[in-house]
Amino acid sequence: DQQVKQNSPSLSVQEGRISILNCDYTNSMFDYFLWYKKYPAEGPTFLISISSIKDKNEDGRFTVFLNKSAKHLSLHIVPSQPGDSAVYFCAASVEGTYKYIFGTGTRLKVLA
Amino acid sequence: NAGVTQTPKFQVLKTGQSMTLQCAQDMNHNSMYWYRQDPGMGLRLIYYSASEGTTDKGEVPNGYNVSRLNKREFSLRLESAAPSQTSVYFCASSGGQGANSPLHFGNGTRLTVT
Repeated sequence: DQQVKQNSPSLSVQEGRISILNCDYTNSMFDYFLWYKKYPAEGPTFLISISSIKDKNEDGRFTVFLNKSAKHLSLHIVPSQPGDSAVYFCAASVEGTYKYIFGTGTRLKVLA
Repeated sequence: NAGVTQTPKFQVLKTGQSMTLQCAQDMNHNSMYWYRQDPGMGLRLIYYSASEGTTDKGEVPNGYNVSRLNKREFSLRLESAAPSQTSVYFCASSGGQGANSPLHFGNGTRLTVT
């Protein structure tokens, strides 16, 4: 059973516009959520995270929104740049378990 | 800054052969992890070690063993490789838990089993 789902395998956005990547989860026990970016032939790199006690976290061009009642989070990238083209993974964890569960990823392509 | 180092970068095995994937981190992190990445499946947790001296199964542990050799090193062993284990394997480490203690990943080992 996939506890963390990214239902859009790919997304194309024009440079300068907003990119919105979505993630849904089924386990209401998750305490925190993270977003990672992955370029080909490299390991994933951490982007931004959010604790379940918050509904928004911002870091520069990246903002993560959490809607606990809908078990949904989203990553907004504004403005999108060609260098943002990568695969984005969301991940979630329950405090005390040390286990991070990842979604299947969304490939973002930012068109120049 | 080396971070998380994985060796080898590439490996081709025949069905039934064994091998060990090596991982070392220099960030003094307590927790270490092994993930595999397959097309359409995302990153799936194989095994993890919350601290030196402990290891636990993740989502897909069958066919694998691990050893937490010391605080720095965490190895993944395939005793009898199968084509279904063809994948990209990532090692990661973390200094703690919580939103402020993310995983740091190595650059992966691409394994092909024929």
